Amino acid sequence: GQQLNQSPQSMFIQEGEDVSMNCTSSSIFNTWLWYKQDPGEGPVLLIALYKAGELTSNGRLTAQFGITRKDSFLNISASIPSDVGIYFCAGTPSNTGKLIFGQGTTLQVKP
Amino acid sequence: DAGVTQSPTHLIKTRGQHVTLRCSPISGHKSVSWYQQVLGQGPQFIFQYYEKEERGRGNFPDRFSARQFPNYSSELNVNALLLGDSALYLCASSLRLAPNEQFFGPGTRLTVL
Repeated sequence: GQQLNQSPQSMFIQEGEDVSMNCTSSSIFNTWLWYKQDPGEGPVLLIALYKAGELTSNGRLTAQFGITRKDSFLNISASIPSDVGIYFCAGTPSNTGKLIFGQGTTLQVKP
Repeated sequence: DAGVTQSPTHLIKTRGQHVTLRCSPISGHKSVSWYQQVLGQGPQFIFQYYEKEERGRGNFPDRFSARQFPNYSSELNVNALLLGDSALYLCASSLRLAPNEQFFGPGTRLTVL
């Protein structure tokens, strides 16, 4: 079945540093979404991307929809302790509403 | 405005039992999707409903079933529970079928003993 490869699996950084994570797919996706999940809670939508090449920002977060439609990246600038959590990429193949998730990137920020 | 709500928050069952999980979408959202998330992994798609009809099904056995009601709320039913069904069950709602932004509820933590 379709899979998303998300990397890195985990990151441990110093407060104030920038972070970058990415997701790749073996097939074309129509939508890319980025979520953050805290322990014991549901994923929270950070950014949604709908067009190839689209670059969208949400505060210190920036995400891009790759031009091949098979990849996306998320950047976090000037990280702060509350950025700690698990970040998931997710995409929808074709015109289905089904979301396929990556394996997640665990981010830890040292004050 | 209220977000997606799910009940119960936690549930403990034994093998072979049946369970019903409930979800209320964001007001105005007509699509509800269900996902299973086991520890350490990303959510896995189970079902999507739109306007009370099933519009997508993931790779789960027939023990899993769902339905959507006229008020767009939804139930997920799992029969003959197995130990491997222990997971966080997430409900997500969206305005339309696709393309969509899906907003997740807090989940129901199911433990099967």
